[in-house]
Amino acid sequence: NAGVTQTPKFQVLKTGQSMTLQCAQDMNHNSMYWYRQDPGMGLRLIYYSASEGTTDKGEVPNGYNVSRLNKREFSLRLESAAPSQTSVYFCASRNHGTYEAFFGQGTRLTVV
Amino acid sequence: GIQVEQSPPDLILQEGANSTLRCNFSDSVNNLQWFHQNPWGQLINLFYIPSGTKQNGRLSATTVATERYSLLYISSSQTTDSGVYFCAVVTRGFQKLVFGTGTRLLVSP
Repeated sequence: NAGVTQTPKFQVLKTGQSMTLQCAQDMNHNSMYWYRQDPGMGLRLIYYSASEGTTDKGEVPNGYNVSRLNKREFSLRLESAAPSQTSVYFCASRNHGTYEAFFGQGTRLTVV
Repeated sequence: GIQVEQSPPDLILQEGANSTLRCNFSDSVNNLQWFHQNPWGQLINLFYIPSGTKQNGRLSATTVATERYSLLYISSSQTTDSGVYFCAVVTRGFQKLVFGTGTRLLVSP
């Protein structure tokens, strides 16, 4: 049981480049989330998807787009990366029945 | 939106000491979880505890939902307990998972 899998684990981008962070879960969870964590800080919600086909903004959505491709996959896209988006990105999924959330290993993104 | 505050923000302990971490939340919630973020950045599930008390080895947690707080107890702390402890709540209605401000724990030998 892999749980929540994020790819890639590390990425360096130049300012203005675009990229997509991938997240997949194999627990048949309905809800999925994307967070960013800046050094020494807590986790801030970027976007979430309460169910397949729906997405909603979190605290810090500017500069990001998301796609809930199917029940398993929830991707985060940076269209034009900026140094302020240097961070560690975490994906999570949550069981609607028990409400318990599980996290991926994180993607460390550096924008230079 | 809901506010989730943790205290203390920083805690330094000698190995073997006990500690209590607190999580206060400003609105009714469907769920509360405690996570440990280890020095390598990995988020580890400790407890799913919307109400009541649970224990797992040296760790235990209590949530009093009616008074909007939760406590995490660490007994006989070890250096491997170092890291950041987060509580997180699921908001009613909007289904967001909102994190607290965190408590950074350092256990020295």
